[in-house]
Amino acid sequence: NAGVTQTPKFQVLKTGQSMTLQCAQDMNHEYMSWYRQDPGMGLRLIHYSVGAGITDQGEVPNGYNVSRSTTEDFPLRLLSAAPSQTSVYFCASSYAIQNTEAFFGQGTRLTVV
Amino acid sequence: DQQVKQNSPSLSVQEGRISILNCDYTNSMFDYFLWYKKYPAEGPTFLISISSIKDKNEDGRFTVFLNKSAKHLSLHIVPSQPGDSAVYFCAARGTGTASKLTFGTGTRLQVTL
Repeated sequence: NAGVTQTPKFQVLKTGQSMTLQCAQDMNHEYMSWYRQDPGMGLRLIHYSVGAGITDQGEVPNGYNVSRSTTEDFPLRLLSAAPSQTSVYFCASSYAIQNTEAFFGQGTRLTVV
Repeated sequence: DQQVKQNSPSLSVQEGRISILNCDYTNSMFDYFLWYKKYPAEGPTFLISISSIKDKNEDGRFTVFLNKSAKHLSLHIVPSQPGDSAVYFCAARGTGTASKLTFGTGTRLQVTL
């Protein structure tokens, strides 16, 4: 049982480049979300999804897009990377939106130069 | 505006002693509080939670206390072990169908021999 898998683990982008952070879970969880972790800021919610075909914005959605075509996958897209998006990104999933225990992936460390 | 605050960025405790990690919140609509533990280069892992209708929840060496009138919760680890050295995040869940986790900035616990 792999849990929540994020790829890549590390990435360096140039300003203006685009990329997709992948997230997959094999626990048949309905609820998935993306957070970013910055020094002194804790984890902040970017986007979340309550099921396939349904997504919504979190606290810091600007510059990011998401889609949820399947229950398993929830990719995060950066359309035009900026240095302010340098961060560690975590994907999380939980069985239902009411379920408080979220399972996190190992994270993607992104540097935008 | 930080709705969940962890005012101590770091804490050092001797092995065998009690570790007390504190968290304050400002939003009275939070209905669930959680603690997550994070090791370097790993995603956060769920540790323990407490409903807003309770004032204490215990799980082995870990106990979480909630003081609603003071909008304060704390995590007690007794006895502390070197393997407990990690960053601890306090998180809160808002009520309603679009429940999302709001995280504090984290406290780095170092358990010394």
